[in-house]
Amino acid sequence: KAGVTQTPRYLIKTRGQQVTLSCSPISGHRSVSWYQQTPGQGLQFLFEYFSETQRNKGNFPGRFSGRQFSNSRSEMNVSTLELGDSALYLCASSPRVQYEQYFGPGTRLTVT
Amino acid sequence: TQLLEQSPQFLSIQEGENLTVYCNSSSVFSSLQWYRQEPGEGPVLLVTVVTGGEVKKLKRLTFQFGDARKDSSLHITAAQPGDTGLYLCAGEYNNDMRFGAGTRLTVKP
Repeated sequence: KAGVTQTPRYLIKTRGQQVTLSCSPISGHRSVSWYQQTPGQGLQFLFEYFSETQRNKGNFPGRFSGRQFSNSRSEMNVSTLELGDSALYLCASSPRVQYEQYFGPGTRLTVT
Repeated sequence: TQLLEQSPQFLSIQEGENLTVYCNSSSVFSSLQWYRQEPGEGPVLLVTVVTGGEVKKLKRLTFQFGDARKDSSLHITAAQPGDTGLYLCAGEYNNDMRFGAGTRLTVKP
């Protein structure tokens, strides 16, 4: 089976802009979760989607949003980017909610 | 304070040495997972432990889940440079997955 894919792999944006990241889960996986990873805070949960519904959301501001499509592909959006949003954004899929996570390679976002 | 505390934070050893890293919490988990992450990549699932007292072996890696299901350990025998990476433990808590800060292991040839 093909693994989780994320696009783009690298992104440079300016403060105040918005960004959309994309994730394609492993075939058959209906749960998709997003995480933010930074050296200071480690890996932090953003949100999880299952069957196009947001199941849970981590402690992040409303500038962070996401959605899941009927084919389980998912996107996350960050509006009004801040310097502190610079991070590795990881997508993970799973065959069921809150189960073993299969991660993609991540999108490295740099905000200048 | 992290829900899952991992120790040590950093570990640098020579090839062939043995090591143990720990994942501790004051909360009970229904299961814990261990992942390894290499630079520039996403974490890769190594194992899931479910039953208190459970021991699982994956080649030179031995994982143990504490009897009370609040802690876990990872022991590596005869470490190799290919074991270098960030080792993360994770568990479900209040409907989201929580990760420890990780142990960054460097194995020198």
